[in-house]
Amino acid sequence: SQTIHQWPATLVQPVGSPLSLECTVEGTSNPNLYWYRQAAGRGLQLLFYSVGIGQISSEVPQNLSASRPQDRQFILSSKKLLLSDSGFYLCAWSARDRWDTEAFFGQGTRLTVV
Amino acid sequence: AQKVTQAQTEISVVEKEDVTLDCVYETRDTTYYLFWYKQPPSGELVFLIRRNSFDEQNEISGRYSWNFQKSTSSFNFTITASQVVDSAVYFCALSEANFGNEKLTFGTGTRLTIIP
Repeated sequence: SQTIHQWPATLVQPVGSPLSLECTVEGTSNPNLYWYRQAAGRGLQLLFYSVGIGQISSEVPQNLSASRPQDRQFILSSKKLLLSDSGFYLCAWSARDRWDTEAFFGQGTRLTVV
Repeated sequence: AQKVTQAQTEISVVEKEDVTLDCVYETRDTTYYLFWYKQPPSGELVFLIRRNSFDEQNEISGRYSWNFQKSTSSFNFTITASQVVDSAVYFCALSEANFGNEKLTFGTGTRLTIIP
């Protein structure tokens, strides 16, 4: 069966520090991968998605970047965190080239920038 | 561009009452998918249902039921005989069927509190 791992679960970082959140998927190949952010009291916003290694699409301009160094690995990064980067970050995957499929989400990382 | 609106920010009902969560969507595509996810206090999103744009049949799964109406672009979710375990944030989402790129557009969510 497929599983998605996301870590760390919680993170407190000072303003201006770097960030690296990692997400890995097991049990499937060539997944579509996604990073979403949920700000406090708000809905989910798609930040990045990837349809293959090295292929990253950004949905909103921001202080964050994403990379996909391996097929089942998706990394969210920042060189210098801002207070506004605080939120709940969720990684997700969906099957490639399947219209009739849902996205499966990781457990999330709660990031607090202080 | 696609958009999902969940006008109800928060709802509280007493246990055993029925409750309906509203979802209205906008899309230019004729082929699309609608979803409902549940986010319990632990934070992860739990998939509840997927419905494609060509299937307007209502669906029932235990105490849960979904009413899809293309005429009003709505995909409402009803919980019958609510229980405390139903307390969560519920998200409606839309995916346009672009092959190989199934991005989800989420609504802002409805926080449901079931009062014992």
